[in-house]
Amino acid sequence: KQEVTQIPAALSVPEGENLVLNCSFTDSAIYNLQWFRQDPGKGLTSLLLIQSSQREQTSGRLNASLDKSSGRSTLYIAASQPGDSATYLCAVNNYGQNFVFGPGTRLSVLP
Amino acid sequence: DTGVSQNPRHKITKRGQNVTFRCDPISEHNRLYWYRQTLGQGPEFLTYFQNEAQLEKSRLLSDRFSAERPKGSFSTLEIQRTEQGDSAMYLCASSLFSSTETQYFGPGTRLLVL
Repeated sequence: KQEVTQIPAALSVPEGENLVLNCSFTDSAIYNLQWFRQDPGKGLTSLLLIQSSQREQTSGRLNASLDKSSGRSTLYIAASQPGDSATYLCAVNNYGQNFVFGPGTRLSVLP
Repeated sequence: DTGVSQNPRHKITKRGQNVTFRCDPISEHNRLYWYRQTLGQGPEFLTYFQNEAQLEKSRLLSDRFSAERPKGSFSTLEIQRTEQGDSAMYLCASSLFSSTETQYFGPGTRLLVL
């Protein structure tokens, strides 16, 4: 059974810092991995999706990497801004199965 | 296309009542997912459809829960004889079954069972 964990559970940084969020999964036979952002009381917004054959994806200030063999993905946020404050979730999709989510990392970027 | 929509956005009900939620996916998406999320946790998978066929159900989906997608477009999730433990955010997502299969989420329906 796939299990997904995220470290840290919460993070508070001053504006402008670069930061890394971590996601680990137990079953490396994944189809893809997706990073989401969730604002309080809202639905999820897709940030990046990495296919199992890819090593990384970039969108603006965000970069996500994937190391299937070690069961890890990282989300790198450059030059953080107060508007980046949210909960960041990773979700893993095994072949032909549903997505399994991690518990999320709650990020606060202080002005 | 305005994305995935869910109705109602909020629902307060008394224990023992039945409730029904609706999800309208992105129009060309053939897969539709239901998740449940409680405070401080990531979403937990409940069930998903490909077109009108319900392909997988989680053990979380007790016999009080039923989901339908009759014409392969919108979907409904019904909870019968609600319990206080059913209080959660119910999220719907849709995707196009393909090599990428990015999921797009709706805003969710927040259920409070008193």
